[in-house]
Amino acid sequence: DIVMTQSPLSLAVTPGEPASISCRSSHTLLSLTGYNYLDWYLQRPGQSPQLLIYLGSTRASGVPDRFSGSGSGTDFTLKISRVEAEDFGVYYCMQGVQTPRTFGQGTKLEIK
Amino acid sequence: EVQLVQSGVEMREPGESLKISCKGSGYDFVNYWIGWVRQMPGKGLEWMGMIHPDDSDVDYSPSFQGRVIISVDKSVSTAYLQWTSLQASDTATYYCVREGYHFDPIDKDYSSTGIDHWGPGTRVTVSS
Repeated sequence: DIVMTQSPLSLAVTPGEPASISCRSSHTLLSLTGYNYLDWYLQRPGQSPQLLIYLGSTRASGVPDRFSGSGSGTDFTLKISRVEAEDFGVYYCMQGVQTPRTFGQGTKLEIK
Repeated sequence: EVQLVQSGVEMREPGESLKISCKGSGYDFVNYWIGWVRQMPGKGLEWMGMIHPDDSDVDYSPSFQGRVIISVDKSVSTAYLQWTSLQASDTATYYCVREGYHFDPIDKDYSSTGIDHWGPGTRVTVSS
């Protein structure tokens, strides 16, 4: 199985400030055709997770442009340009290059 | 609007069986993989497996193979997750999910574009 490792595991941010979360995989997520099969999800307290980013850098429908995904191969980053109140929760990365799909441990974004 | 409607809260004793359901609507049910994701209390997300409704092809995570059964009835657009003998460690919320896909014109194959829809979750408590 591909192991996904996120850092940091928790992050305290003042609203309006930027935030960045890293995700590393134990195996390349880059396909031979140039797609990175890495997704980012946000789970707000008491809610189901929601897709933020897929294919490494493509925002899902309705996701604000303050969220951006970057990286390739085994190293990826999720950036929030200016954190808003609705952004607090737990962020997960997940690889989709092979089954079983595997998630990172989660990064809890808290209000500072 | 795509919806995944899951069955309600369940409480069982160890050793009992259980089958929970997930009904998809608002899209062509047979053309998308439907999966299950476990979240134990206070913990992260674990992918259990997925099924393709068109041919009932199932792909289990080795961590869950033999412990659960994933099935589907495409005539009613419903997927199922089943246990024959529950354990206390099965206490968790189980999310039904739909995996999106795109067609790679170079590879000439379909690949994942992430879990684009999640059900509300079914909370299962196993306790004596």
